[in-house]
Amino acid sequence: GEDVEQSLFLSVREGDSSVINCTYTDSSSTYLYWYKQEPGAGLQLLTYIFSNMDMKQDQRLTVLLNKKDKHLSLRIADTQTGDSAIYFCAESLITGGGNKLTFGTGTQLKVEL
Amino acid sequence: DVKVTQSSRYLVKRTGEKVFLECVQDMDHENMFWYRQDPGLGLRLIYFSYDVKMKEKGDIPEGYSVSREKKERFSLILESASTNQTSMYLCASSLSPVEQYFGPGTRLTVT
Repeated sequence: GEDVEQSLFLSVREGDSSVINCTYTDSSSTYLYWYKQEPGAGLQLLTYIFSNMDMKQDQRLTVLLNKKDKHLSLRIADTQTGDSAIYFCAESLITGGGNKLTFGTGTQLKVEL
Repeated sequence: DVKVTQSSRYLVKRTGEKVFLECVQDMDHENMFWYRQDPGLGLRLIYFSYDVKMKEKGDIPEGYSVSREKKERFSLILESASTNQTSMYLCASSLSPVEQYFGPGTRLTVT
């Protein structure tokens, strides 16, 4: 079965880099995702990486994928107070006509001044 | 802009009541999903549907049912609400395998 694990909390100072880690177990995943949830809101897709890539950069965000170790990370450069949120990693499994996502527990990122 | 709306942001129901949570998307997406979100457990998939009148069980379907009579609407039904169903319920829809679009969530309290 699929299992996606993340640490529950991360605290960083404004301007530092944040690194949020995730491990997954399903080696047949096609895509891996990072979603962001701000207080009182639904989830918003931040970025995703195809399973045959090992890195993707998008402005302040860098995703690293180590497929051998089934490890995914999200680095946020120059972290701002507006980055305070819960971050979920997720892996996809194509089933039937759609994609089924398995989410991690979420990492609460707190950015301190 | 894709929009996924959920019928209520907050809902309080009594144990044993039948509860309907409605989700509507406006982008003609085939796939729709219901999750529940609990602290420390992340999101867990309850049911999903990849076409009208089609449904598949997710990881935690017990105590829930769903209905998809029209493409844009996916309803989650709690046949007899119990206190352990107090949670945040999130609906999502998708067209491509890449991205799911989420609604704002319904925080349900069962007393």
